[in-house]
Amino acid sequence: QQQVKQSPQSLIVQKGGISIINCAYENTAFDYFPWYQQFPGKGPALLIAIRPDVSEKKEGRFTISFNKSAKQFSLHIMDSQPGDSATYFCAARAGANNLFFGTGTRLTVIP
Amino acid sequence: NAGVMQNPRHLVRRRGQEARLRCSPMKGHSHVYWYRQLPEEGLKFMVYLQKENIIDESGMPKERFSAEFPKEGPSILRIQQVVRGDSAAYFCASSPFRDRQPQHFGDGTRLSIL
Repeated sequence: QQQVKQSPQSLIVQKGGISIINCAYENTAFDYFPWYQQFPGKGPALLIAIRPDVSEKKEGRFTISFNKSAKQFSLHIMDSQPGDSATYFCAARAGANNLFFGTGTRLTVIP
Repeated sequence: NAGVMQNPRHLVRRRGQEARLRCSPMKGHSHVYWYRQLPEEGLKFMVYLQKENIIDESGMPKERFSAEFPKEGPSILRIQQVVRGDSAAYFCASSPFRDRQPQHFGDGTRLSIL
């Protein structure tokens, strides 16, 4: 049973465009939602994270939008660059429990 | 300022052999997490350890898998009598606090079972 559902599986975006990755969850106990970026052959790296008491968090070109009532959250990458090409994972955690990861989105940014 | 170090990076074993994966956490970190990543899938939690203690092993298969984090030396994930289904990338992460949000992952060990 997949606790966090992520879409799309893959995404191709032109350089300068906006990349949008969506995640949905059912467990209302989740209270921490991080996004990880993973390059081929590397481990995931924490990119940005949000808690459900805010609807949006922005760090540079990366923004998380959070919709508590819909139980959805998304990652927006503005002005996407070829260097952003990687696999992105959303995740969720309830309290002190472990992270549940989505299945990943492979982003390709075309020059 | 070394990050989380995992070795070996690649490990090939035949069915029935043992696999030992090592993880050295970041300096000053006393909490280690192991995750498994199957092809085209996200990471799945396996075990969470503090020095000399297993805090949570709810994600570990009941048989053949074990983990330790001794007072001295790296954390070890041990898989006995490996089977084809054990082929995966195994990632280790560390944290300075008793916190379930691993921020720093190693680059993983890719285990292939022949």
